[in-house]
Amino acid sequence: AQSVAQPEDQVNVAEGNPLTVKCTYSVSGNPYLFWYVQYPNRGLQFLLKYITGDNLVKGSYGFEAEFNKSQTSFHLKKPSALVSDSALYFCAVRVSGGYNKLIFGAGTRLAVHP
Amino acid sequence: DGGITQSPKYLFRKEGQNVTLSCEQNLNHDAMYWYRQDPGQGLRLIYYSQIVNDFQKGDIAEGYSVSREKKESFPLTVTSAQKNPTAFYLCASSKAELPYEQYFGPGTRLTVT
Repeated sequence: AQSVAQPEDQVNVAEGNPLTVKCTYSVSGNPYLFWYVQYPNRGLQFLLKYITGDNLVKGSYGFEAEFNKSQTSFHLKKPSALVSDSALYFCAVRVSGGYNKLIFGAGTRLAVHP
Repeated sequence: DGGITQSPKYLFRKEGQNVTLSCEQNLNHDAMYWYRQDPGQGLRLIYYSQIVNDFQKGDIAEGYSVSREKKESFPLTVTSAQKNPTAFYLCASSKAELPYEQYFGPGTRLTVT
């Protein structure tokens, strides 16, 4: 079955420290992977995507993600966290075959403390 | 949220009433989607449409209906048959060519009592 897992419900990090939000996936064929961020009572905002090419993908607001095929992971990273990065983060994978269906992880809440 | 509008932001209904949530996009996207978000469960696909006058059921379509009469609009009706309709509803759109990212509206929070 095709799926996405975000193993951490919450990640806590001090402002200025590096952050990592984890994501693993299971999909048939080549994976198309996405990260989104959601602020309270708002829609999801697209951060970055991996389709093919360089394993390190750079996105919005200083975020980047590392694709690791052997570990089937796509972890979101940022070198220096800001308090304003505190939000809910979703990893998603496109289901192979058919239309542009995305499967979302359950989300990871990032809390950046001053 | 740019380019996709959802209205209203908050909606309250009594049990047994049908309610329609609006979704409009000006991104010229062919494909549109409706998701339901519940705490701790991520997003679940209700319906999707790849082209005008065509739509397909997603993973949790029971108790919901949609229409796609115009490219810009994809309204969702939550019927009285939906057993647990209180949730946050998100509309999204994307280009029809794969694998473009989906863009989301600001959402509608529906509360049914």
